Amino acid sequence: QSVLTQPPSVSGAPGQTVNISCTGTSSNIGAGFDVHWYQQLPGTVPKVLIYGNTNRPSGVPDRFSGSKSDTSASLAITGLQTEDEADYYCQSYDSSLSGSVFGGGTKLTVL
Amino acid sequence: QLQLQESGPGLVKPSETLSLTCTVSGGSIYSTKYYWGWIRQPPGGGLEWIGSVYYSGITYHNPSLKSRVSISVDMSKNQFSLNLTSVTAADTAVYYCARRSVWDLFDIWGQGTMVTASS
Repeated sequence: QSVLTQPPSVSGAPGQTVNISCTGTSSNIGAGFDVHWYQQLPGTVPKVLIYGNTNRPSGVPDRFSGSKSDTSASLAITGLQTEDEADYYCQSYDSSLSGSVFGGGTKLTVL
Repeated sequence: QLQLQESGPGLVKPSETLSLTCTVSGGSIYSTKYYWGWIRQPPGGGLEWIGSVYYSGITYHNPSLKSRVSISVDMSKNQFSLNLTSVTAADTAVYYCARRSVWDLFDIWGQGTMVTASS
């Protein structure tokens, strides 16, 4: 059971928009700690997709965006492309655990 | 370009100790801005933070693993290491080392190394 809760899977057709939620508690996201998102393409190492809730590293398309509110965060992917098929993980810091916490991951399928 | 590379046995017997090393190249492990961490991913599963270490040797561990985990740093070799004692099949996973920034962001990852706990 992950500290941060994500839907196990989401899907969408090419060109559509999907949103992936990440729900935490008052000891992590709700405490004001930053949320980061990682993309893990099949068979590869996770890479930073969004950092500091809303920031994109250079090279990440602006089709990817992050938001945060209260005890939750969300990753939006617009204009879905087949190459977006991957697992997506949210991550934050938890003050009760004094450490980093990940969501369980969400598998995105582009239909 | 900073790079991290994990090394260690790919097979560990149950009840024994898993030992991995992460070698940092292209930069120094001595930094006041970063921690160095271990993360694992079981086959078909999600990411789990194991622990992090500062260049000074200060460490933070996942409470669920804390009694079995020790992490250390060797600045002379630009390496940090993970020891996980009393392994079981549940410890079978890909183990990644990563750099952790002040935002608690794991911004640079090693390629990962698969460790199987089996007799």
